[in-house]
Amino acid sequence: KNQVEQSPQSLIILEGKNCTLQCNYTVSPFSNLRWYKQDTGRGPVSLTIMTFSENTKSNGRYTATLDADTKQSSLHITASQLSDSASYICVVTALGSYKLIFGSGTRLLVRP
Amino acid sequence: DVKVTQSSRYLVKRTGEKVFLECVQDMDHENMFWYRQDPGLGLRLIYFSYDVKMKEKGDIPEGYSVSREKKERFSLILESASTNQTSMYLCASSRFKRDRGRELFFGEGSRLTVL
Repeated sequence: KNQVEQSPQSLIILEGKNCTLQCNYTVSPFSNLRWYKQDTGRGPVSLTIMTFSENTKSNGRYTATLDADTKQSSLHITASQLSDSASYICVVTALGSYKLIFGSGTRLLVRP
Repeated sequence: DVKVTQSSRYLVKRTGEKVFLECVQDMDHENMFWYRQDPGLGLRLIYFSYDVKMKEKGDIPEGYSVSREKKERFSLILESASTNQTSMYLCASSRFKRDRGRELFFGEGSRLTVL
């Protein structure tokens, strides 16, 4: 069964610290993986997309990695800011499928 | 800026009422989607449409219907609301017919409470 699991479920860090969010998937065959950020009370917004051939991609202070062999992705946030407080959702697409498989998200709280 | 607009941010309805959730996108996208989001369950697909007057069931279509009379508008209908339909409803759109993994653009969400 195609599944996407994210860890941790929730995370609290101090402003300025780094953190890493994990996404493990069993989706096969794999097409791509996308990370979304969802602020409280808003819709998700795409941060980055990873395809099979990409290992690392950065978007400002956000760096996503992909290991297609172990079926794992991570989202690393550097020098966190209060505005990084949000839910982060990992979404995987299977090759040849229209269907998106969503993880249940990691809720990040950045404290001053 | 791309924009997906949902008609109501917050609604409170009674059991058995008919509920309409409206969604409009201004990006000329072919695909539109309705999801519900519940704590711990993530986003679950209710229905989607890849063309005007076309619709396909998602993972949890029971108790819902949809309408897409115009390309920019996708409506979700709860014929007879029940308490287990209390949730956050998110509309999204994306480019290309039957695209695969393309970026979804979401609305702000409609939080529905059914009493």
